[in-house]
Amino acid sequence: EPEVTQTPSHQVTQMGQEVILRCVPISNHLYFYWYRQILGQKVEFLVSFYNNEISEKSEIFDDQFSVERPDGSNFTLKIRSTKLEDSAMYFCASSYLGPNTEAFFGQGTRLTVV
Amino acid sequence: GIQVEQSPPDLILQEGANSTLRCNFSDSVNNLQWFHQNPWGQLINLFYIPSGTKQNGRLSATTVATERYSLLYISSSQTTDSGVYFCAGKETSGSRLTFGEGTQLTVNP
Repeated sequence: EPEVTQTPSHQVTQMGQEVILRCVPISNHLYFYWYRQILGQKVEFLVSFYNNEISEKSEIFDDQFSVERPDGSNFTLKIRSTKLEDSAMYFCASSYLGPNTEAFFGQGTRLTVV
Repeated sequence: GIQVEQSPPDLILQEGANSTLRCNFSDSVNNLQWFHQNPWGQLINLFYIPSGTKQNGRLSATTVATERYSLLYISSSQTTDSGVYFCAGKETSGSRLTFGEGTQLTVNP
């Protein structure tokens, strides 16, 4: 069964460093998303992406964050100059026909900023 | 944006018991999903159910869109059902899923 794949599963980085989280969405899906979950809290929307541009972003998604689809299969989230409060589980998701259809989530990347 | 409220926040069951989890949302949604977060943090899709009723094995879900709630039923619970159950809804405009706070389910042997 097709699935969304994220790498790495766990990343530890020093405060102030840049990190890139990678995702391979389901191959025929057209809409891509990033969510995050701070430990013990609910899952929060960061950004949605369609046709090589951001279609919606949350108030969390400030200039520190960027997304890119560098090729036909990968979808990345870059966090510049990480802060302690960026420590969270980051989930990538994809859907086929759009946000009104089922979104499938990857297994997550646990980011720890020290 | 919409508000999504889940109840109960915590639920402890004995193996074999049945349970009902509830999700209320503050406005109309055209996407409603249920997830199970396992102990490793993975979000497992359970149901995509913007309206109507679906069943998958021991689990079933019903969404009454006009009354803005959804229910997840777990029958004959097993210890492997333990974890956090989230519902998430998307309002009629925009693309974000808004998650509830979750129900922490513990099934004891």
